[in-house]
Amino acid sequence: GENVEQHPSTLSVQEGDSAVIKCTYSDSASNYFPWYKQELGKGPQLIIDIRSNVGEKKDQRIAVTLNKTAKHFSLHITETQPEDSAVYFCAASKSWGKLQFGAGTQVVVTP
Amino acid sequence: GAVVSQHPSRVICKSGTSVKIECRSLDFQATTMFWYRQFPKQSLMLMATSNEGSKATYEQGVEKDKFLINHASLTLSTLTVTSAHPEDSSFYICSAPRASGGSGSEQYFGPGTRLTVT
Repeated sequence: GENVEQHPSTLSVQEGDSAVIKCTYSDSASNYFPWYKQELGKGPQLIIDIRSNVGEKKDQRIAVTLNKTAKHFSLHITETQPEDSAVYFCAASKSWGKLQFGAGTQVVVTP
Repeated sequence: GAVVSQHPSRVICKSGTSVKIECRSLDFQATTMFWYRQFPKQSLMLMATSNEGSKATYEQGVEKDKFLINHASLTLSTLTVTSAHPEDSSFYICSAPRASGGSGSEQYFGPGTRLTVT
């Protein structure tokens, strides 16, 4: 089955700096890679996703890159703000299939 | 706004009793929904896939007789934790895929249900 690894487990950044989270996956058949933000006590919120026919996708301060050959994808947050502090999860799946999640990254943005 | 809702958001029950959690897709039909469990400071672990009109598919190690799933309609799936014990205390979250164009979908999560078994 699919195995997703996520690094780092914690990330502390100064407000205004960039944050990068990296994930690798094992199943070359996976073709959908979403990123979720989870605040304490809440369900995960989809913030951006990418499909395997695209190498990069951007939405305002958030971007995701995908390297299918190396089987890794990354989340980039620019100009970080305190409200970006949360746990971020990457995931991988095949089309409408079940998601396999990474272990999560606790991001702390300090003012 | 929210596209998947859960009820209740928080429940406390006594050991040995059963608890039912509802998951609803709000503005779309979901023939498939997923149930996850999340322990503190850990990732989401898939428990089962809920299928409308057929039996749920459980992940390895998840007791199907303990975690009963019923996909009653195209917008509702329920998870019943039977004979709950303190070790069942956790954050239970459902999700549903919604078509996003082409052959793809986006998966949206509910707000979660905090279960505490005393």
